[in-house]
Amino acid sequence: GEDVEQSLFLSVREGDSSVINCTYTDSSSTYLYWYKQEPGAGLQLLTYIFSNMDMKQDQRLTVLLNKKDKHLSLRIADTQTGDSAIYFCALPGAGSYQLTFGKGTKLSVIP
Amino acid sequence: DGGITQSPKYLFRKEGQNVTLSCEQNLNHDAMYWYRQDPGQGLRLIYYSQIVNDFQKGDIAEGYSVSREKKESFPLTVTSAQKNPTAFYLCASRGTATFNYGYTFGSGTRLTVV
Repeated sequence: GEDVEQSLFLSVREGDSSVINCTYTDSSSTYLYWYKQEPGAGLQLLTYIFSNMDMKQDQRLTVLLNKKDKHLSLRIADTQTGDSAIYFCALPGAGSYQLTFGKGTKLSVIP
Repeated sequence: DGGITQSPKYLFRKEGQNVTLSCEQNLNHDAMYWYRQDPGQGLRLIYYSQIVNDFQKGDIAEGYSVSREKKESFPLTVTSAQKNPTAFYLCASRGTATFNYGYTFGSGTRLTVV
């Protein structure tokens, strides 16, 4: 099945950019997603990218997709303390709408 | 507003008890999912249902049971056979008409064995 890998922790200073990376094994995914989970809460859909795109920008968020290397990244510009959360990469397996999630990257923002 | 509601937010279970976690959605979504979250383990799929009166086991179904009698509801029962039930439980749904097919999540139930 689909395998999705993320590093578990990232620490950045307030005002810097954060880059969260994700690698995957199945190249047939149509949409690829980033979810954000704040402490004690459920996951909220942060952004997504369609597989025929290389980049998507949405205010402070930039998603980059490198299909050749099967690599997805989320860049947060001007990182704020409110961005401290766990970020999950997710994508569907081949021929399925069922999502496989990475283990999540815990972003800590240092004031 | 449409959404997905999990209750209760906190639940305490004594050893040997069965408990049921509620998940209700008013999004008219067909598919519903239950995940278990432990620190550092990410999300692990317990059960899922793609249509009323049908459901499938996920990766860690042992010690859990579900039902899907109504489209809106997908309750999860944690049975006494689940030896380590303390965790954060998340319910999610997905609609086939959702243009990007992403999931909508509830706010979670934290279950603690006392």
